[in-house]
Amino acid sequence: SAVISQKPSRDICQRGTSLTIQCQVDSQVTMMFWYRQQPGQSLTLIATANQGSEATYESGFVIDKFPISRPNLTFSTLTVSNMSPEDSSIYLCSVEVGQGLEQYFGPGTRLTVT
Amino acid sequence: GDSVTQMEGPVTLSEEAFLTINCTYTATGYPSLFWYVQYPGEGLQLLLKATKADDKGSNKGFEATYRKETTSFHLEKGSVQVSDSAVYFCALSINTNAGKSTFGDGTTLTVKP
Repeated sequence: SAVISQKPSRDICQRGTSLTIQCQVDSQVTMMFWYRQQPGQSLTLIATANQGSEATYESGFVIDKFPISRPNLTFSTLTVSNMSPEDSSIYLCSVEVGQGLEQYFGPGTRLTVT
Repeated sequence: GDSVTQMEGPVTLSEEAFLTINCTYTATGYPSLFWYVQYPGEGLQLLLKATKADDKGSNKGFEATYRKETTSFHLEKGSVQVSDSAVYFCALSINTNAGKSTFGDGTTLTVKP
């Protein structure tokens, strides 16, 4: 298993600004994932972040809007750039540990853009 | 592509009632199947999993059996409690898909005393 923390837990931001979300894992992991969960909806994968390489973005998400860093095997950041109210959502990071394919999630960052 | 379909919610039950949340899937390979639970204000937690056909995953009184012939992984619990109120997500993952999981839309369960 893995214990994951995220910062901040919530934030209220103004339109046009940027927010960086941090994700810290208590063990070294190869793959980290960033998801968006809009109110009352399921999870949408934004990107996969592997240490030492560029993040891989899913369709509909671009690096200019959601730049990701992965400086080591226990840490990643996701930045939400030039925010608009449509970016209001919960952002979750997760990791896959071992061979079981299950994922472990952080508690999420609740973002409100006004 | 891969997909997961869950029964639509929300589901409201009285305490000690029997719970079933249906989940079916479509996958190009041989998936592992999961149920995750999200309590209010928290991230998702793995509830149970099954990695091959006919496997039964179980945890905290919840069970689900991997049925390859019906491509299903229905979640059941014989007697729900108020503390089971949460959102439940069915998901699949295939080891050839770079570790990515596909999630259903989630089913909100409310258990009333």
